[in-house]
Amino acid sequence: DVKVTQSSRYLVKRTGEKVFLECVQDMDHENMFWYRQDPGLGLRLIYFSYDVKMKEKGDIPEGYSVSREKKERFSLILESASTNQTSMYLCASSSGTGYSKNIQYFGAGTRLSVL
Amino acid sequence: AQSVTQPDIHITVSEGASLELRCNYSYGATPYLFWYVQSPGQGLQLLLKYFSGDTLVQGIKGFEAEFKRSQSSFNLRKPSVHWSDAAEYFCAVGGMDSSYKLIFGSGTRLLVRP
Repeated sequence: DVKVTQSSRYLVKRTGEKVFLECVQDMDHENMFWYRQDPGLGLRLIYFSYDVKMKEKGDIPEGYSVSREKKERFSLILESASTNQTSMYLCASSSGTGYSKNIQYFGAGTRLSVL
Repeated sequence: AQSVTQPDIHITVSEGASLELRCNYSYGATPYLFWYVQSPGQGLQLLLKYFSGDTLVQGIKGFEAEFKRSQSSFNLRKPSVHWSDAAEYFCAVGGMDSSYKLIFGSGTRLLVRP
């Protein structure tokens, strides 16, 4: 089974702090994604990466950056956390070929509270 | 614009009753369609997917969904709901031209009455 692991289930940070959310997948997937989930809004794509050191903006990239130095790891960075970034963050991965690239596997999520 | 609409925010059914969750999409090309389930405090788990072929697809946990191109719909069904099915359900659309991205609906929360 594909395993996508997010390093923290819950995080509490202060406004202005730099926050790192880490995600690791064990299936050698090319594609990795960061989503933000808010009630009534579903999942919104923040950034995705289709290869090491490659990244593309999703629908709501403002206030976020990402890093992918190794294939298995995709980090989401909040340079200066703000209260409106309080949310559930979900990481996902998919393989790079054919239909499979559309099948995303998700981690358990990180619930971030910014105070 | 590409979008997914799940018109029901909440649905409550009795245990043992049948279930249908609605999903409508707007997509410019041939859609790939997905249903995911999210149990409380968990990530999303893939229930089923449609790429091509038979428009009635079977998934895990006894769920099925039917693709109706003429109605731009991909409704999820289960003939007999179990208490463990209480969760949030998300419909999503992607495709060959989507740059790997999926577009998600806003979700439907299923409550199951004993």
